[in-house]
Amino acid sequence: EVQLVESGGGLVQPGRSLRLSCAASGFSFDEYAMHWVRQAPGKGLEWVSGINWNSGYIGYADSVQGRFTISRDKGRNSLYLQMNSLRPEDTALYYCTKGAGPGRFYYMDVWGKGTTVTVSS
Amino acid sequence: EFVLTQSPGTLSLSPGERATLSCRASQSITTYLAWYQQQPGQAPRLLIYGIFNRATGIPDRFSGSGSGTDFTLTISSLEPEDFAIYYCQHYGSSPRYTFGQGTKLEIK
Repeated sequence: EVQLVESGGGLVQPGRSLRLSCAASGFSFDEYAMHWVRQAPGKGLEWVSGINWNSGYIGYADSVQGRFTISRDKGRNSLYLQMNSLRPEDTALYYCTKGAGPGRFYYMDVWGKGTTVTVSS
Repeated sequence: EFVLTQSPGTLSLSPGERATLSCRASQSITTYLAWYQQQPGQAPRLLIYGIFNRATGIPDRFSGSGSGTDFTLTISSLEPEDFAIYYCQHYGSSPRYTFGQGTKLEIK
């Protein structure tokens, strides 16, 4: 069974950092693009960042460019999101998603259950 | 700025009725258009990709159509489990992975 399990969320003060992890199983992790998508409380979906199969292509939403860094570890079958200089508007449920193919021109066919990030003093 | 605009914001229908959800792009896009369903308290689920292709396990009462800037998700006969929020998404090309703001489909 294809599964994505996020972890690392929590309550953090503005300006601090947090690192999210996503453990992937049930598929060949190094053959697919991966993404982070977030959803603020009561709001819609916002793509945060994506990375292709070999980390050769990485993209960020304008709202997080320069503050967040996406990475992946083939050996650990894991996706990461390093979030620095956090702001209250980064408060959201963060989903790890699997691309349906190796590159950027693929939809998201599997979603994790999400991990909650709350940025507040 | 590239934008996907979904309409209506809320659609109130009864089980058995036909639902038509719209997604309009601010500029013409290719075939990279997907639809997702989100039930309360759950992660989104892929319904449609490439404008009209149903994802694995999606019932054939769900269908996608459109081209250029106007796209439609149609649910031919609503089942109780179909009442949810639906998002369209443009994926891949620049700007990347834009979502519409969502349409809430509620029971009338």
